[in-house]
Amino acid sequence: AQSVAQPEDQVNVAEGNPLTVKCTYSVSGNPYLFWYVQYPNRGLQFLLKYITGDNLVKGSYGFEAEFNKSQTSFHLKKPSALVSDSALYFCAVRDRYDYKLSFGAGTTVTVRA
Amino acid sequence: ETGVTQSPTHLIKTRGQQVTLRCSSQSGHNTVSWYQQALGQGPQFIFQYYREEENGRGNFPPRFSGLQFPNYSSELNVNALELDDSALYLCASSSGTGVYNEQFFGPGTRLTVL
Repeated sequence: AQSVAQPEDQVNVAEGNPLTVKCTYSVSGNPYLFWYVQYPNRGLQFLLKYITGDNLVKGSYGFEAEFNKSQTSFHLKKPSALVSDSALYFCAVRDRYDYKLSFGAGTTVTVRA
Repeated sequence: ETGVTQSPTHLIKTRGQQVTLRCSSQSGHNTVSWYQQALGQGPQFIFQYYREEENGRGNFPPRFSGLQFPNYSSELNVNALELDDSALYLCASSSGTGVYNEQFFGPGTRLTVL
């Protein structure tokens, strides 16, 4: 069975500071990893994905994520956070033969001005 | 390109009633997945439809059922509503079922069961 853990319920950072949202995963075989963002009363918006290739993945809105197979992690990062980055962030995983996405519980990011 | 749309936006039902939620997939997409997002939790997979056939199902009881139509739009039906069914229901469409087929999510339907 595949699963995702987001160990932090909340992350608070000052605008302009680096932002990191943590994610670890468990899956049999090669993992396919995703990050989504959700704003209040909105659906999920895709940020980035890791399927294969370079461990550093660049995505939308200046976000990037680093795949670390030995630590089974896929942390989301942004070098300089904006107030508008305040939202709920979800990490998700699927394996090659499963069609569904398995999501973590989410991390609420608050960026203060 | 038209994105994924869902209707209605909000819905209030009472326990024991039945509800139908609708989803229009993004243009060119033949696969629709439904997810339930309870308050404070991540989305949970309900089922997926591919070319009008159920392609897989999560850990949800049979009173959760669905349909996909020839135009690839989809319905989620829930019978005998329970209080715990209160959640945001998300629909996602994709151009296939493979890992390279990214899922695009709609805005969701907020269901409240009283």
